[in-house]
Amino acid sequence: AQTVTQSQPEMSVQEAETVTLSCTYDTSESDYYLFWYKQPPSRQMILVIRQEAYKQQNATENRFSVNFQKAAKSFSLKISDSQLGDAAMYFCAYRSNPFSGTYKYIFGTGTRLKVLA
Amino acid sequence: NAGVTQTPKFQVLKTGQSMTLQCAQDMNHNSMYWYRQDPGMGLRLIYYSASEGTTDKGEVPNGYNVSRLNKREFSLRLESAAPSQTSVYFCASRGQGNTYEQYFGPGTRLTVT
Repeated sequence: AQTVTQSQPEMSVQEAETVTLSCTYDTSESDYYLFWYKQPPSRQMILVIRQEAYKQQNATENRFSVNFQKAAKSFSLKISDSQLGDAAMYFCAYRSNPFSGTYKYIFGTGTRLKVLA
Repeated sequence: NAGVTQTPKFQVLKTGQSMTLQCAQDMNHNSMYWYRQDPGMGLRLIYYSASEGTTDKGEVPNGYNVSRLNKREFSLRLESAAPSQTSVYFCASRGQGNTYEQYFGPGTRLTVT
């Protein structure tokens, strides 16, 4: 069974600085999808970025980028030029290859990011 | 376009009471999901429905039942609430296409006393 591990329960970053959130996963599959979701105090889950395992290029969305290391089964999120609005809980999530017949997503336990003014 | 809606937003139940959490999506999505979120445990899948007319158990299904009423609606029922079911409940949906991202509702905070 697949697992997702976020080993940093809490991180802090100074406003305008860069921070990296870690995520590792365990799987025997070769094709899958990885996601980072943001959950601000409003509780709403918001997709930050996605990565397809078959793509070697790391995904980027504005100030958010990932470092996807397939062999190491690592999927870290880098937030550049951190803003106060980035303060939230961040969840890493894994989804199996759709052709595996499973529709399940597996979430990590989350990392709470604090942004210091 | 409302996306995924959930009702109610907050609920307090006494042990043994029953209730149904409602979820609806207007994106014509096939797959729908119910999660619970507890401190330090992330989101855990309770039940999911890959398509209209089908439902399957997730990681923590005990104490819950679901109904996929139609393509839009997926409800979660607690037949006899227990304090261990105090949690925040999220409904999510996913459509066709190859992005495979989920869209989440705003959540329901449920307290069982």
